[in-house]
Amino acid sequence: DAMVIQNPRYQVTQFGKPVTLSCSQTLNHNVMYWYQQKSSQAPKLLFHYYDKDFNNEADTPDNFQSRRPNTSFCFLDIRSPGLGDAAMYLCATSAIGAGQFEKLFFGSGTQLSVL
Amino acid sequence: KQEVTQIPAALSVPEGENLVLNCSFTDSAIYNLQWFRQDPGKGLTSLLLIQSSQREQTSGRLNASLDKSSGRSTLYIAASQPGDSATYLCAVSLDYGNNRLAFGKGNQVVVIP
Repeated sequence: DAMVIQNPRYQVTQFGKPVTLSCSQTLNHNVMYWYQQKSSQAPKLLFHYYDKDFNNEADTPDNFQSRRPNTSFCFLDIRSPGLGDAAMYLCATSAIGAGQFEKLFFGSGTQLSVL
Repeated sequence: KQEVTQIPAALSVPEGENLVLNCSFTDSAIYNLQWFRQDPGKGLTSLLLIQSSQREQTSGRLNASLDKSSGRSTLYIAASQPGDSATYLCAVSLDYGNNRLAFGKGNQVVVIP
């Protein structure tokens, strides 16, 4: 089945040690998003790629970066994780065109712990 | 800045009752509104999407309404079942062309058998 896949499901890293989370999709959607969701909080948009164009949210810390080498894959890099970066990271995709907005399709998320 | 509020944060209902979940947003200039379901420790599943020009959408036992002018949406779940236990999140689009969403914190629902 076409879907959005996030790896790993759980990630443990040390304070200050760079970590990369990955997302892949078989939906061939042109837009990919990264959201951060802390416990019992609303998901917060970090950035998104519209095709190859990177779009950062104004309040996303510089510590967070992203790469999209091709349509199918997108990576979230956290350069120096702090304790406050422990959260669920959600990848999502959407097909946008012709003025219509499709539903967002989410992966199962990566739960990041920082020790 | 768009603020999305969902009250109450948590609720329990007996099986068979109809569920009514409310969502309010501060800026009525939205392009669409979506309702999602989230199971514990999992990602989000899209339930319904209402375009700004629409008043409601229906899928099976689910019906969502949208009143843009008053900044409100309601999700109705008919004849609730234990399998409906989950957190339901409302989200509104922030702009035209990118489908960036602002989410509420969700309504955590428990359906009691």
